[in-house]
Amino acid sequence: GAGVSQSPSNKVTEKGKDVELRCDPISGHTALYWYRQSLGQGLEFLIYFQGNSAPDKSGLPSDRFSAERTGGSVSTLTIQRTQQEDSAVYLCASSPRAGGGHEQYFGPGTRLTVT
Amino acid sequence: AQSVAQPEDQVNVAEGNPLTVKCTYSVSGNPYLFWYVQYPNRGLQFLLKYITGDNLVKGSYGFEAEFNKSQTSFHLKKPSALVSDSALYFCAVRDPLYNDYKLSFGAGTTVTVRA
Repeated sequence: GAGVSQSPSNKVTEKGKDVELRCDPISGHTALYWYRQSLGQGLEFLIYFQGNSAPDKSGLPSDRFSAERTGGSVSTLTIQRTQQEDSAVYLCASSPRAGGGHEQYFGPGTRLTVT
Repeated sequence: AQSVAQPEDQVNVAEGNPLTVKCTYSVSGNPYLFWYVQYPNRGLQFLLKYITGDNLVKGSYGFEAEFNKSQTSFHLKKPSALVSDSALYFCAVRDPLYNDYKLSFGAGTTVTVRA
């Protein structure tokens, strides 16, 4: 079946602009996760959704970052007033639910470059 | 707290030779352990996991891993490496006693298999 999809695959933006990154999880998966992968930082957890709610926003690096999930499916990660240090690959993952031994299924990522 | 370490940044092997990628973990309780592989410009692909039961876990593409509680290790192995196994490998851990969803990833190990 279809996996996790993300769009756009690549995004180049100017410093100070806002960007929106989209994630479409696997159908039926209630848990959704955002990670950031950057050189020297590895994989950083950003935010987790269970259904529509975001129980854990602890990984968001600043208040310029926000995320929402509508209808328990598609999620958007918004970065306001982008900075060069926001340049990274943003990965989305989903799993049938949190808890248990479920693995997370990852999308291909969005490569964000802030110039 | 939970954490995982991958002590080797790079592993180089000849095709047909055994491949081992090392991972050690730290958790308070019994860990859930995962291995993922990332090919260039792709998201992470799930390889295998240990939740409970047999210490030797078999996964995709001929990979296996052995859970060793006394050594707090979960090394990934493949008896005969292929050039196509060249990729970035991540070990991840979750402590189910303390959280239901957040994975902690190692820094990754780049595997190069030479023909």
